[in-house]
Amino acid sequence: DTAVSQTPKYLVTQMGNDKSIKCEQNLGHDTMYWYKQDSKKFLKIMFSYNNKELIINETVPNRFSPKSPDKAHLNLHINSLELGDSAVYFCASSQDLGQYNEQFFGPGTRLTVL
Amino acid sequence: AQRVTQPEKLLSVFKGAPVELKCNYSYSGSPELFWYVQYSRQRLQLLLRHISRESIKGFTADLNKGETSFHLKKPFAQEEDSAMYYCALVDYHGSSNTGKLIFGQGTTLQVKP
Repeated sequence: DTAVSQTPKYLVTQMGNDKSIKCEQNLGHDTMYWYKQDSKKFLKIMFSYNNKELIINETVPNRFSPKSPDKAHLNLHINSLELGDSAVYFCASSQDLGQYNEQFFGPGTRLTVL
Repeated sequence: AQRVTQPEKLLSVFKGAPVELKCNYSYSGSPELFWYVQYSRQRLQLLLRHISRESIKGFTADLNKGETSFHLKKPFAQEEDSAMYYCALVDYHGSSNTGKLIFGQGTTLQVKP
């Protein structure tokens, strides 16, 4: 069984469009995250949610809006896509906010903005 | 500012050679550090964490507070070790943990036959 899944795996779209990426975890975890990996493979946190409550919003533009309908899901909606949004987006989850906790990552969604 | 630095973008060694992937950190407190690995066409996964003081797949990492380092080592590299390795630091906000991980830039390890 897949622990953390993301859809879609690939997303190609035009500048200015609005798109969503979905994430689901079946591990029973309380905490979920979104990361962005740029073209140089640099991985940076964007958001984290704990029990559906926003914990981290790492100076991400307002065009990015995460939504957590329940603890098992954390979706990422992006408005007015820009060329610079092209990246691989990773969802992750952890048991809770404990500092020693392992984070489990999804397979990533490669977003290409044309 | 909290920061993790991996100075080598690419490390290429021959099979059987020792490996050391460097990681330095900047943190105003007692750091909690991890190594994550991403094999080709697989998802990012935890390799080892500082608190466990464990050896995974022959890899070890020792926290050196004096040198602010957490280098990843393996005495004899195998071809299946070829992957992207990320060093990561847990960032606290005050006394509460937010689960935030700060990642280094990553090092690609290439083990040649």
